[in-house]
Amino acid sequence: QKEVEQNSGPLSVPEGAIASLNCTYSDRGSQSFFWYRQYSGKSPELIMFIYSNGDKEDGRFTAQLNKASQYVSLLIRDSQPSDSATYLCADLDSNYQLIWGAGTKLIIKP
Amino acid sequence: EAQVTQNPRYLITVTGKKLTVTCSQNMNHEYMSWYRQDPGLGLRQIYYSMNVEVTDKGDVPEGYKVSRKEKRNFPLILESPSPNQTSLYFCASSLTGAAGTDTQYFGPGTRLTVL
Repeated sequence: QKEVEQNSGPLSVPEGAIASLNCTYSDRGSQSFFWYRQYSGKSPELIMFIYSNGDKEDGRFTAQLNKASQYVSLLIRDSQPSDSATYLCADLDSNYQLIWGAGTKLIIKP
Repeated sequence: EAQVTQNPRYLITVTGKKLTVTCSQNMNHEYMSWYRQDPGLGLRQIYYSMNVEVTDKGDVPEGYKVSRKEKRNFPLILESPSPNQTSLYFCASSLTGAAGTDTQYFGPGTRLTVL
């Protein structure tokens, strides 16, 4: 059974600090990785995707991928209260199916 | 406006009463998918469709049916709902479903309660 694992949290981070969210995956053939944000009661929305080893930056967000260790992370710099949400990690596996983690709840404390 | 719509948004029903949740997208996407989301379990795929008349089972297809007669519509049918199908349901679509950079666009969700 292919899996994507995330710590459910909640992860509490002071406003202005860096929030670090992590995700591990089991399928070595996985091709791409996606980070979605989901506010309570709302639908998931894409933050960013990454498919190459290393870092990918988009504004305050940086995704990091390490295929050898099978983990992907999302860093949020200068965290804001509006970043409080559940963050879902998903990987596109070797069969082109998205495998979803259960999500990490992030709380940014003012 | 590019969007995925679902109806109804909220539904309370009783065991055994057939229901349909509609899903429609206006982005000419080939790939559509249904998920259910339960606390602590994340998103679990029910069925997906790579194109018109092509549907495949996801991880949790038991108790559900789908059809894809037109590109824009992908209804989810519960022939005989049971209480364990009480959940939050999301429809999603993406351009092809087979590209590493494909973004899935989600509908607003349907909260279903089966008594």
